[in-house]
Amino acid sequence: GENVEQHPSTLSVQEGDSAVIKCTYSDSASNYFPWYKQELGKRPQLIIDIRSNVGEKKDQRIAVTLNKTAKHFSLHITETQPEDSAVYFCAASIGGAQKLVFGQGTRLTINP
Amino acid sequence: GAVVSQHPSWVICKSGTSVKIECRSLDFQATTMFWYRQFPKQSLMLMATSNEGSKATYEQGVEKDKFLINHASLTLSTLTVTSAHPEDSSFYICSARDPAGTYEQFFGPGTRLTVL
Repeated sequence: GENVEQHPSTLSVQEGDSAVIKCTYSDSASNYFPWYKQELGKRPQLIIDIRSNVGEKKDQRIAVTLNKTAKHFSLHITETQPEDSAVYFCAASIGGAQKLVFGQGTRLTINP
Repeated sequence: GAVVSQHPSWVICKSGTSVKIECRSLDFQATTMFWYRQFPKQSLMLMATSNEGSKATYEQGVEKDKFLINHASLTLSTLTVTSAHPEDSSFYICSARDPAGTYEQFFGPGTRLTVL
């Protein structure tokens, strides 16, 4: 079945710097790749997503890139702010029902 | 965007009892809903896919007789944890995809289950 690997598990950056989180997936049939931000005890919040027919997508300070050949996708956050501190999860969809398989998560800390 | 609710938001029960968690899509009809379990400081693990009007599809390693799923209507799926034990204590989250929309899944707020 699908396996999603996410790195790093923890990431600490200075406020204003950029943060990059990377994920790889195993199923070449996956066609939807969302990124979620989750705060403690809360539901995952979609921050950006990309479909397999697109190589890059940007929304203000957040961007996602997808390399289908290498089966990896990355989240880029620029001009980081303290409120960006949270746990981030990547995911890949599988099957006709579009169920999601999640990466292990990255705890991002933005240092003022 | 679409809204998914869960009830209750938290529940404490004694070992051996059963607990039912409800997941509702409030402004759209969801033929398919998903149930996840999340242990502290871990990722979301898909437990099962809930299909309206038919049996749920369980992921490998998930006991279908312990985690009963019923998707009786287009807006409601329920997860019943039967004979709960302390190791079942976890954060349970449901999600649904609006079939008329994009690929985006909408998550419920989660239910914190504590089994004493």
